[in-house]
Amino acid sequence: SQQGEEDPQALSIQEGENATMNCSYKTSINNLQWYRQNSGRGLVHLILIRSNEREKHSGRLRVTLDTSKKSSSLLITASRAADTASYFCATVSWQEYGNKLVFGAGTILRVKS
Amino acid sequence: DVKVTQSSRYLVKRTGEKVFLECVQDMDHENMFWYRQDPGLGLRLIYFSYDVKMKEKGDIPEGYSVSREKKERFSLILESASTNQTSMYLCASSFNRGRSGYEQYFGPGTRLTVT
Repeated sequence: SQQGEEDPQALSIQEGENATMNCSYKTSINNLQWYRQNSGRGLVHLILIRSNEREKHSGRLRVTLDTSKKSSSLLITASRAADTASYFCATVSWQEYGNKLVFGAGTILRVKS
Repeated sequence: DVKVTQSSRYLVKRTGEKVFLECVQDMDHENMFWYRQDPGLGLRLIYFSYDVKMKEKGDIPEGYSVSREKKERFSLILESASTNQTSMYLCASSFNRGRSGYEQYFGPGTRLTVT
């Protein structure tokens, strides 16, 4: 029941550049969340945006949500080598899936120093 | 800081063995989850629990069972391990306060190899 799909699948940038990842989903949602996973580790929650919000910031992260297009984007500004990781979007759609998170396949970000 | 711990980082078991994966959280979260993560397939939900002694099947429960006798602990059991259960297993927990949904906190994962 993969609902979210990230784009691109992989992204390679230079340190200091901005990285943008996109997520599309299929059903109406209550909220959308972004997670980071460093190689071989557990996921870390980055940011949650509710369906009635359009934009949210947290440090160097900026998330937008367009419910009419069923899409979200994650922007990491001034990237660092430590940002190298996989990034996943996940949606909560109470009507469709109850309280479960439904994850996309992820974007692999590599930041070269 | 929320802490979710898993009993092992790496585990190697033989086909047919019974395997227990333990997960403990220290934030008094109502919800606990077990996922498996495989390359190209993303995270797939195996089982979850809303409360002590409560359990719900996720997307891929076949070959697994769970136990939640205490609020802080959620165990995943492979009754008879098979090679197709070789995977990374991730435990997570979250609050359960209505329909708005809350972020999940993940453990470090257990990489299980079944030979």
